[in-house]
Amino acid sequence: ILNVEQSPQSLHVQEGDSTNFTCSFPSSNFYALHWYRWETAKSPEALFVMTLNGDEKKKGRISATLNTKEGYSYLYIKGSQPEDSATYLCAFGTGTASKLTFGTGTRLQVTL
Amino acid sequence: DAGITQSPRHKVTETGTPVTLRCHQTENHRYMYWYRQDPGHGLRLIHYSYGVKDTDKGEVSDGYSVSRSKTEDFLLTLESATSSQTSVYFCAISESLLAGAEQYFGPGTRLTVT
Repeated sequence: ILNVEQSPQSLHVQEGDSTNFTCSFPSSNFYALHWYRWETAKSPEALFVMTLNGDEKKKGRISATLNTKEGYSYLYIKGSQPEDSATYLCAFGTGTASKLTFGTGTRLQVTL
Repeated sequence: DAGITQSPRHKVTETGTPVTLRCHQTENHRYMYWYRQDPGHGLRLIHYSYGVKDTDKGEVSDGYSVSRSKTEDFLLTLESATSSQTSVYFCAISESLLAGAEQYFGPGTRLTVT
């Protein structure tokens, strides 16, 4: 069983704060690292898929980096807004088959 | 939003009864997945399908079977439901089986086994 760890488990920030969280995964047999955003009562939505060491992806105020050699990825949110409140999931893909192993998520709450 | 629907959205059933959950997609994606989501666990793969009549087991397949007779439908069956199968079930689809392919999720089905 592959171990994908996310930290912190939950985070509470004020509007305007920048924040980041971590996804740790096995450094062997790496193929892809996914980030998903999951709002309460909705479905998880893909944010990023990264496949190369050193990859950096950005979508608006959210960005992610990838270090496959040491087995971690960071997700950054700049200037958090209440609408960023959600659980952020990472998922690790090994080999070529899309059987992803998900972490338990970081729950972000942004208050005014 | 990807065209994925799940039915039913909520179900309460008794231990020992059979239950079938349906996932329907309008995207014509070849690959479909069933996950369960439980507190303290990430999404865990139950079964997946790589084409009509082609399915394989995931991490937590015991007690579940699947069928895919049409591209658009992927059914998950609990032959004899147990309380440990109380969970939220998500269907997902993707265009490719490669681990780098995004997966698109349905709205989920909340199943309670009493």
